[in-house]
Amino acid sequence: AQSVAQPEDQVNVAEGNPLTVKCTYSVSGNPYLFWYVQYPNRGLQFLLKYITGDNLVKGSYGFEAEFNKSQTSFHLKKPSALVSDSALYFCAVRDKGSGGSYIPTFGRGTSLIVHP
Amino acid sequence: EAQVTQNPRYLITVTGKKLTVTCSQNMNHEYMSWYRQDPGLGLRQIYYSMNVEVTDKGDVPEGYKVSRKEKRNFPLILESPSPNQTSLYFCASSDGGLAVYEQYFGPGTRLTVT
Repeated sequence: AQSVAQPEDQVNVAEGNPLTVKCTYSVSGNPYLFWYVQYPNRGLQFLLKYITGDNLVKGSYGFEAEFNKSQTSFHLKKPSALVSDSALYFCAVRDKGSGGSYIPTFGRGTSLIVHP
Repeated sequence: EAQVTQNPRYLITVTGKKLTVTCSQNMNHEYMSWYRQDPGLGLRQIYYSMNVEVTDKGDVPEGYKVSRKEKRNFPLILESPSPNQTSLYFCASSDGGLAVYEQYFGPGTRLTVT
C-alpha cells in the first residue's frame, strides 16, 4: 500500500522569505515522488519529480525538493517566495513495486499563501 | 498549443440522468486518467487508460464508466449519477514510461447532482 501525508493545510510566508511545504510518504518498496501546483480555477500543473539519483530535485518556477529516504520525506522548497506562488500544492507518490498498477496517490493539498 | 480540454466546464443535473464528460488531448499521449477532487481528500483517481482499448480501475471507480476508442479521447460516463458524485473532475494525460506521472491536466468540470 502507498500513502502520502501533507501535515499542513496552510502555509503562510512573507514575500522574499524561503518557503517549505512538507510531504511525507509511505510505500512498501521505493517511491516515485511528485509535486503539482494548482492555481485558482485551474487544473494541476506538474512541478517536479523524483525517480532515482540525486536527492535534490529542481523543477519549474524555481522550486526544488529534497528526497530523504530515512525520514520518508519529500519537502518542497523555494529560496525566495513570490506572491504569485500562492496556490494549492499537492504531493503524490507511487510505489515502484506496485507492478502493473499506474495509480498515484495524492496528498490532500497544502494551501500556500505568500504575503506581500 | 498542447492542451487537455474538458467539456462541459460546469454541469448541474438530477439524480439518475445519464451524463458524459468529454476529455480530449492533442499531444498524442498514451496515458489518460480521470480524477475527482473533493475538499479535504485531495485527488483520487477514478479510471486510467494506458492506450486505446486499454482501461483499468483507479481508487474510486464505482458509479463511473470510461472508454478509449481513440487515442486522443477519454470520456467519463455517469450512467446514473447520485448526489455523492458531486465533485470537481479532472482529466489528465501523459506520455508512457517514466514520464507517465508528468501529467497534463485539463481545466476541470464542476459537477453538481441534485
